[in-house]
Amino acid sequence: AQSVTQLGSHVSVSEGALVLLRCNYSSSVPPYLFWYVQYPNQGLQLLLKYTTGATLVKGINGFEAEFKKSETSFHLTKPSAHMSDAAEYFCAVSGDAGKSTFGDGTTLTVKP
Amino acid sequence: KAGVTQTPRYLIKTRGQQVTLSCSPISGHRSVSWYQQTPGQGLQFLFEYFSETQRNKGNFPGRFSGRQFSNSRSEMNVSTLELGDSALYLCASSLEDRGGQETQYFGPGTRLLVL
Repeated sequence: AQSVTQLGSHVSVSEGALVLLRCNYSSSVPPYLFWYVQYPNQGLQLLLKYTTGATLVKGINGFEAEFKKSETSFHLTKPSAHMSDAAEYFCAVSGDAGKSTFGDGTTLTVKP
Repeated sequence: KAGVTQTPRYLIKTRGQQVTLSCSPISGHRSVSWYQQTPGQGLQFLFEYFSETQRNKGNFPGRFSGRQFSNSRSEMNVSTLELGDSALYLCASSLEDRGGQETQYFGPGTRLLVL
């Protein structure tokens, strides 16, 4: 069994501020972890993924996430928010073959 | 390499009708999964096909069905449509890693509106 919890359905930051989106997971097998971004009326775009190896993962658009097994967390960060980062972000875990479990999503708002 | 494509992008149907959605995976990917996304329920797993066989199924009624062809293209069918079936239907393809864990790449989705 696997599950994902995203803390905070809405996060608002000022342009240039740190972005932190929280994700905790549970999985009965070593997980693959993902962050996806979804812009309005579009599909999901893979931001980054953790499979094995280095626990700090760098993705596109300046985002990165750190896998912390002891905390079962995979939080997404970006040092400086840009207006174009406004979107909905989904954390997902894949452990059961062929099935990803998604969190409920976090809507990021960036204020000028 | 071309991404996952889904057709049609938008669809309007009425209650009681049926609908077929199509998904073409990334070349070389053999696994295709379908998800339903709604504002109330979020992203929910429908089913997964691998080499023309349904390998995994979510908690949806039998009105939801699918199939996969020998070229890995997949179709999803919903019969006797209900208003609550209005959603964005996302298809994802993957190249299975060792151990069965996968990286999924998503298509743009088909937005279905049931009136």
